[in-house]
Amino acid sequence: DIQMTQSPASLSASLEEIVTITCQASQDIGNWLAWYQQKPGKSPQLLIYGATSLADGVPSRFSGSRSGTQYSLKISRLQVEDPGIYYCLQGYSAPNTFGAGTKLELK
Amino acid sequence: QVQLTESGPGLVHPSETLSLTCTVSGFSLTGYSVYWVRQPSGKGLEWMGRMRYNGDTSYNSALKSRLSISRDTSKNQVFLKMNSLQTDDTGTYYCTRDRGFGWYSPWGQGVMVTVSS
Repeated sequence: DIQMTQSPASLSASLEEIVTITCQASQDIGNWLAWYQQKPGKSPQLLIYGATSLADGVPSRFSGSRSGTQYSLKISRLQVEDPGIYYCLQGYSAPNTFGAGTKLELK
Repeated sequence: QVQLTESGPGLVHPSETLSLTCTVSGFSLTGYSVYWVRQPSGKGLEWMGRMRYNGDTSYNSALKSRLSISRDTSKNQVFLKMNSLQTDDTGTYYCTRDRGFGWYSPWGQGVMVTVSS
């Protein structure tokens, strides 16, 4: 099974700050990587798919990038509505696997 | 409008079998794959398994011995059955549609399952 190592586990940042979350895949997954945001009591919401494509309705301050088997989610200017838990997901091969999650809080 | 709705019992006793249904609308089960994802209480997301559009199934290695996913295309339903439930199976269970490249959308609202005697 493909392992997704996500870091950091938690993060505290100020408004307007740049935030970066990373996921390292245990093997090549191409661009089969997505990022999700989850808020308490809610279903996960897609932010990025195909490693770099922004999902419909997602603010442009969110962006995804890839360097080899390392994937990053960047929030360019943290806003008050952005705290939550962020997960990466590899959809390259079954079983698909999620990263452990990053809990993002406002400082 | 594309929609997925999970249903099932809120309470299951230890060692019993969990049966959940995902009812879909707005798309065909022969055109899209449906996945099951769970979130144990206070923990992260866990991929459970999938029913592909062609009827093939895949399962999480850790759950494979207890898990079965099936479908009824005429009723637009996908079923999850998991046996030998324990307290650490308590959590929220979601179904979602696959769009490729890790793109799961939309998600159901989730169904909370408590395993307790």
